[in-house]
Amino acid sequence: GAGVSQSPRYKVAKRGQDVALRCDPISGHVSLFWYQQALGQGPEFLTYFQNEAQLDKSGLPSDRFFAERPEGSVSTLKIQRTQQEDSAVYLCASSFLAASTDTQYFGPGTRLTVL
Amino acid sequence: KQEVTQIPAALSVPEGENLVLNCSFTDSAIYNLQWFRQDPGKGLTSLLLIQSSQREQTSGRLNASLDKSSGRSTLYIAASQPGDSATYLCAVHNNDMRFGAGTRLTVKP
Repeated sequence: GAGVSQSPRYKVAKRGQDVALRCDPISGHVSLFWYQQALGQGPEFLTYFQNEAQLDKSGLPSDRFFAERPEGSVSTLKIQRTQQEDSAVYLCASSFLAASTDTQYFGPGTRLTVL
Repeated sequence: KQEVTQIPAALSVPEGENLVLNCSFTDSAIYNLQWFRQDPGKGLTSLLLIQSSQREQTSGRLNASLDKSSGRSTLYIAASQPGDSATYLCAVHNNDMRFGAGTRLTVKP
C-alpha cells in the first residue's frame, strides 16, 4: 500500500465497552509501533512489534490494553472495559528495518472518545 | 527517563519570516533525533532525521541542527509560508521514541 492505514478513523465508545483498533502497515515493513496521543501532547509509546513478536510492551498503561500482530503484518490494539481516560488518538507507525531506531512512517490515527 | 521539551508551545508569525523552533532533551545518549509535522486530524509526517553522529540536516527551506552534548536541537524554517502552519514535534530515539509536546505554528498571510 501507499502508506500506513488505520481503521476506524473515529470511534465513540461507552465506558466499559471493549474496542479494537486496526493498523495496516506499509507492505514489507518489519517493525510496527503503537502510540497514544492525548489532546495537546506528543505521542507516547505503547508497544513495539518486530514481525509477529511483541518485543516491548512497557508503555501499555494497564492490563486492559492488549496488542497483537499474529501474522507479522496487520496489528490490532484492543482496549477492554474502556475508561474516560482512554480517550485519545491512537497512532500506528511502521518501519522497514528491524532496528527500533529506523525512520518510522505514521498512519492518520484513530480518535477514540469514551463517554 | 528521557524528557523532551519544546519551546515555544505556540508561535504566530507573518508570512515570509524566518523562524526557529527549539527542542531540548535530558539524556544525551540518543541514536537519532527526528522532526515531524502534524496537521489537524492527520498523522505525523517525517521532516528530517539527524543521526547522533551528525550535526545538521537540510531539506528545502528546513534545516535541523543537533547538539547532543547540550541536549538541544533546533528546526529553522526559512521564508515561512501559510502552508507551513501545523504542529511541529521533535522526537528522540534511545531505546524507544520520546516526543515533545510540540510547537503549534501559525503563519499568517
